[in-house]
Amino acid sequence: DVKVTQSSRYLVKRTGEKVFLECVQDMDHENMFWYRQDPGLGLRLIYFSYDVKMKEKGDIPEGYSVSREKKERFSLILESASTNQTSMYLCASKGGMNTEAFFGQGTRLTVV
Amino acid sequence: AQSVTQPDIHITVSEGASLELRCNYSYGATPYLFWYVQSPGQGLQLLLKYFSGDTLVQGIKGFEAEFKRSQSSFNLRKPSVHWSDAAEYFCAAAGGTSYGKLTFGQGTILTVHP
Repeated sequence: DVKVTQSSRYLVKRTGEKVFLECVQDMDHENMFWYRQDPGLGLRLIYFSYDVKMKEKGDIPEGYSVSREKKERFSLILESASTNQTSMYLCASKGGMNTEAFFGQGTRLTVV
Repeated sequence: AQSVTQPDIHITVSEGASLELRCNYSYGATPYLFWYVQSPGQGLQLLLKYFSGDTLVQGIKGFEAEFKRSQSSFNLRKPSVHWSDAAEYFCAAAGGTSYGKLTFGQGTILTVHP
C-alpha cells in the first residue's frame, strides 16, 4: 500500500514563528502536493512539485514556501506564521497524470 | 482558469433514498476526473476515477459516476444510501497545461437521516 506520512497530526505554534510541515511518501511518485482544507472552501492547493527541486505555485501560495530536496519528501514552510494560517494541511502524492492521489492523515495547525 | 465546481454545499437524504452529487469542471480539454470521500476525522479515500472510455464509471461502496462531455459534468450517484455514507465528498480534476496539478471542488457534505 502507498503510504503518505505527515510528521505531525496536531501542531500549535505562535504568531511569527517559522513552521515546517513534513511529508514523506514511499511509492516513488513524481508529484507531491500541499493543500489546506477549510470548512466550505474544500481543498485549496498551496504548492505542488512535479520533480525534485521543481515546484509550482498553486492557488493560495502567499505566506508559504516549499522544499523538495529528495523525491520522497516534500516540506511546507510557513515563513512567519499568522492566525489566518490556522487550518488543516493535507499532503498528497501522485504518479502520472492519469493516476490517483494518495493523501496523508493531515496536520491540524493552530497559530495562536 | 481551470476549475472544479460542486454547486451543493450540503445535501440531506433519507436512508434508502437515491443520491446524486453534482460536479462541473472548466478545462480546455477533458481532464482526468476523480471523486473522493472524507469521513469525519479521516483522510481522503478515492471512490472512483474517469480517464477515458465508458462514460459510466463504477466505484467502491456502490457508487457510480457519469461523465457528460456536453455538460462538462461528472456527477456521482448511488441508488440507495446507507447511514454510513454520511461524509464529505470531493470532486477533483487533473490535466490541462500544468502537469499533474490536481484541483478540487469545494466539497459536498452529505447528511443521512434514518
